[in-house]
Amino acid sequence: EDKVVQSPLSLVVHEGDTVTLNCSYEVTNFRSLLWYKQEKKAPTFLFMLTSSGIEKKSGRLSSILDKKELFSILNITATQTGDSAVYLCAASSLGGTSYGKLTFGQGTILTVHP
Amino acid sequence: GAVVSQHPSRVICKSGTSVKIECRSLDFQATTMFWYRQFPKQSLMLMATSNEGSKATYEQGVEKDKFLINHASLTLSTLTVTSAHPEDSSFYICSAPDVGGNIQYFGAGTRLSVL
Repeated sequence: EDKVVQSPLSLVVHEGDTVTLNCSYEVTNFRSLLWYKQEKKAPTFLFMLTSSGIEKKSGRLSSILDKKELFSILNITATQTGDSAVYLCAASSLGGTSYGKLTFGQGTILTVHP
Repeated sequence: GAVVSQHPSRVICKSGTSVKIECRSLDFQATTMFWYRQFPKQSLMLMATSNEGSKATYEQGVEKDKFLINHASLTLSTLTVTSAHPEDSSFYICSAPDVGGNIQYFGAGTRLSVL
């Protein structure tokens, strides 16, 4: 059974802190690892990682994948209150269709205090 | 990124009624769409894969007669919760992959409350 595990499940920090969110996966026919940010409604896309060791960056957020260890991290530097959200990690696999199914982790609830 | 529209955003209904949720890809065609369910403080659980022109593929444990899926066109998939009961109350979200099939874009979700 495909499985994605995130840690920590929740994190409380102060503005300016740097946080690291973890994601491990066990997925058959792994295709890519995706990170999403979910505030009150639907998840919004952050990153897609396909290759090991190549860091992707967007502003204060960055992410990297280790396909040997089946692991990914999401870093957020200089956190702001607007970063407060649930961060979801999902593994994409080649399912019965050409477009892979996503298996989601439990999410990490990040709370950034002023 | 691509835009996926989901409607309605909120439904409150009586037990025994059926509820239809629509998911539209606004600026791209989607031969495949996905339907998820999310309970409070839990992650998204894939319910089914909606395929345009063919039957939906349901995940293990999801009743296909309870959750009817129709992929009517290349831009529209609907999920109908038939004879809804309070235990069906949840947050339902649809997604559609981009043209390359790599990134899935999500609708805003539908919060269903069955009284």
